[in-house]
Amino acid sequence: GNSVTQMEGPVTLSEEAFLTINCTYTATGYPSLFWYVQYPGEGLQLLLKATKADDKGSNKGFEATYRKETTSFHLEKGSVQVSDSAVYFCALVMFSGGYNKLIFGAGTRLAVHP
Amino acid sequence: GAGVSQSPSNKVTEKGKDVELRCDPISGHTALYWYRQSLGQGLEFLIYFQGNSAPDKSGLPSDRFSAERTGGSVSTLTIQRTQQEDSAVYLCASSLAKVTSGRSGPYNEQFFGPGTRLTVL
Repeated sequence: GNSVTQMEGPVTLSEEAFLTINCTYTATGYPSLFWYVQYPGEGLQLLLKATKADDKGSNKGFEATYRKETTSFHLEKGSVQVSDSAVYFCALVMFSGGYNKLIFGAGTRLAVHP
Repeated sequence: GAGVSQSPSNKVTEKGKDVELRCDPISGHTALYWYRQSLGQGLEFLIYFQGNSAPDKSGLPSDRFSAERTGGSVSTLTIQRTQQEDSAVYLCASSLAKVTSGRSGPYNEQFFGPGTRLTVL
């Protein structure tokens, strides 16, 4: 079946450190890939997306590249800030029965300290 | 405009009681989704509505769970005879009309509400 696996947290970093959160997927067909972020006390928000192989999604300094050969979509940021502290979810979308069904990873909590 | 809203934001109930969770989608969004976020389990899909009908109920964990949607707008998720394992955050999302074309389909972004935290004692 379709699934998403992401690295377990929590990830604790100092401000300005480099961030990588690993995400791999298993899917039949041609999924689109997403990173969602959940800031403390807020709802889930779409952070970035990529719809086909080799696409790079980017937003707010975060980037992720759709790697079909390794079935991965790792999230990276060159210099994290305290305000990036949140839970990050990798997800894939399958076009199923006429609608988009989101399948999420377990989430990775990121804590950034000054 | 207003985003997806959910009520209550927190609900504490005793084991065996019934609970109702409400979702108000973004106006004009015909697709509505319920997800459950359990500690250590990530987000799991529960049910999808297109208009008032639910073509995919495959994620509902047991027959104690049901959902309805009226007027193509508000949705209610009902959990009967709650159990401690039902404790979780229940998230609602809405999006524009269902996808009708494309191999992977154009993605209609799902907008999420803040969730209802359910605690079953």
